[in-house]
Amino acid sequence: GNSVTQMEGPVTLSEEAFLTINCTYTATGYPSLFWYVQYPGEGLQLLLKATKADDKGSNKGFEATYRKETTSFHLEKGSVQVSDSAVYFCALIRTSGTYKYIFGTGTRLKVLA
Amino acid sequence: DAGVTQSPTHLIKTRGQQVTLRCSPKSGHDTVSWYQQALGQGPQFIFQYYEEEERQRGNFPDRFSGHQFPNYSSELNVNALLLGDSALYLCASSSNGAQYFGPGTRLTVL
Repeated sequence: GNSVTQMEGPVTLSEEAFLTINCTYTATGYPSLFWYVQYPGEGLQLLLKATKADDKGSNKGFEATYRKETTSFHLEKGSVQVSDSAVYFCALIRTSGTYKYIFGTGTRLKVLA
Repeated sequence: DAGVTQSPTHLIKTRGQQVTLRCSPKSGHDTVSWYQQALGQGPQFIFQYYEEEERQRGNFPDRFSGHQFPNYSSELNVNALLLGDSALYLCASSSNGAQYFGPGTRLTVL
């Protein structure tokens, strides 16, 4: 079946540190991949997406590359800020046959000033 | 653009009661999905509505039901509430691909 596995948190970094949050997936067919961010007390916000192999999604300094050979979609940012503190969810959706998102369990990021 | 809106924001019910949650999709979106997010967990897919029909369903019992109206807004109904139904209920709308989430309704069952 389809599944998403994220690295466990919490991840604690100092401001301006480099961030990597690992995400790997299992899926039949060719899924689209997403990263969502959830700030305290709020719903999920789409951060970035990639719809096919080798695509790179990017937004607000965050990047992730769709790697079909390693079935991965790791989230990276070169220099984190305190305001990036949130929970990050990796998700996939198959592009045919089913329409539901499969989410990872989320990774909490805490950035210290 | 108002984005996805949900009501109410918070709700407290007791076991055995019934609840109805509401969602208005983002302008131009015709598909609405509902998710349950327990504390510290990722969202779990409940079901999705398109053209007023349930198109896809996750692993939730029949106590969870829904409806979509001609204006694409949607309701989630939960009957015979259990303590374990306490969660954040998220609505997401889409037109073709990426889903956009509302702020959620926090349901507490006592």
